[in-house]
Amino acid sequence: DQQVKQNSPSLSVQEGRISILNCDYTNSMFDYFLWYKKYPAEGPTFLISISSIKDKNEDGRFTVFLNKSAKHLSLHIVPSQPGDSAVYFCAASGILTGGGNKLTFGTGTQLKVEL
Amino acid sequence: ETGVTQSPTHLIKTRGQQVTLRCSSQSGHNTVSWYQQALGQGPQFIFQYYREEENGRGNFPPRFSGLQFPNYSSELNVNALELDDSALYLCASSPNRDRNEKLFFGSGTQLSVL
Repeated sequence: DQQVKQNSPSLSVQEGRISILNCDYTNSMFDYFLWYKKYPAEGPTFLISISSIKDKNEDGRFTVFLNKSAKHLSLHIVPSQPGDSAVYFCAASGILTGGGNKLTFGTGTQLKVEL
Repeated sequence: ETGVTQSPTHLIKTRGQQVTLRCSSQSGHNTVSWYQQALGQGPQFIFQYYREEENGRGNFPPRFSGLQFPNYSSELNVNALELDDSALYLCASSPNRDRNEKLFFGSGTQLSVL
């Protein structure tokens, strides 16, 4: 059962334009969401996060929007740059019984920013 | 500040063998998590260690086991390897186990089981 879904395996955008990456989740208990970026041969790196008490969080060129009623979030990158070409993972944070947290990841979207 | 380092970077094993993967957490981090990323999939949570104790476990069989040492480095052990264990194994550390703490990932160990 895929609790976090990224239905677009790939996205191609021209440099300078907006990139919009989408993510849907099914578990209404999730209340904290993160986006990670992954380059080949590297581990995922944290990009931006959002708590369910907000509907928007912005950090420079990156903005994440959360629609709780639709169980949907999106990552906007404006303007897109060639260095943004990577795989983007959406993740939801869940509580462990021992008191820590685990991330449930989507399958990722490969973003390609073309010149 | 040294980041999360994993060794080895690549490993080839045959079915039925055992493997140990190693992870050094980022300086000052006391929580380590392990994830398995199969080809074309997102990382899947295996387990988390906090101050040398297992803090939680994902849907993986008991032949996946781990350790965390007093210096907060960690090992992932997999016994009786199966072909489906072929994947990228990612270690991640965090300063503590607060539920909204972001994770810092290593570059992973690519395991191939033949």
